[in-house]
Amino acid sequence: AQSVSQHNHHVILSEAASLELGCNYSYGGTVNLFWYVQYPGQHLQLLLKYFSGDPLVKGIKGFEAEFIKSKFSFNLRKPSVQWSDTAEYFCAVTPQNSWGKLQFGAGTQVVVTP
Amino acid sequence: GAGVSQSPSNKVTEKGKDVELRCDPISGHTALYWYRQSLGQGLEFLIYFQGNSAPDKSGLPSDRFSAERTGGSVSTLTIQRTQQEDSAVYLCASSQTGAGASYNEQFFGPGTRLTVL
Repeated sequence: AQSVSQHNHHVILSEAASLELGCNYSYGGTVNLFWYVQYPGQHLQLLLKYFSGDPLVKGIKGFEAEFIKSKFSFNLRKPSVQWSDTAEYFCAVTPQNSWGKLQFGAGTQVVVTP
Repeated sequence: GAGVSQSPSNKVTEKGKDVELRCDPISGHTALYWYRQSLGQGLEFLIYFQGNSAPDKSGLPSDRFSAERTGGSVSTLTIQRTQQEDSAVYLCASSQTGAGASYNEQFFGPGTRLTVL
């Protein structure tokens, strides 16, 4: 069965620290990969996505993610976080060339302290 | 409006009552999705509609849940005989469809927070 695993449920770090959130998926075919973010009191927003091509994708707000096919991973990174990056981050997968349902990971709550 | 809208934003109901949740997708988006976000289960897919095709209902947790989409636009999610475990935030999303990277991106609404007492 298709599944998405996020390694950390809760991360606390200081401003200017680097952030890396792990995401691994289990799926037999080719997939589209996404990172969504939910800021406190706001709705889910897309941070970045990978469909094909360059496995290093850049998203909004200085985030990037690297697709490593051999490891079934799509880790999210940001070199230097800000207090405003406090949010919950969700990795999601859907089969490629499909406009079907997203399967989400459990989410990682990130708290950035000033 | 430019985004996905949902109503009501909050709904409190008593166990056993029926509720209807509404979603207005982004104009021109042919695909519409319902998800549920709860503390214990995270974000779960419920149902999606794609154009005039039969909806994918594979995520509906029980036959108390149903959804319809009228005129290829607005959608209503109905929960009959609500139970306390139905308490969650119900999210709606919409997307364009077609080949290529510009498609298949789902835009989410603000959600309806349902509380079943």
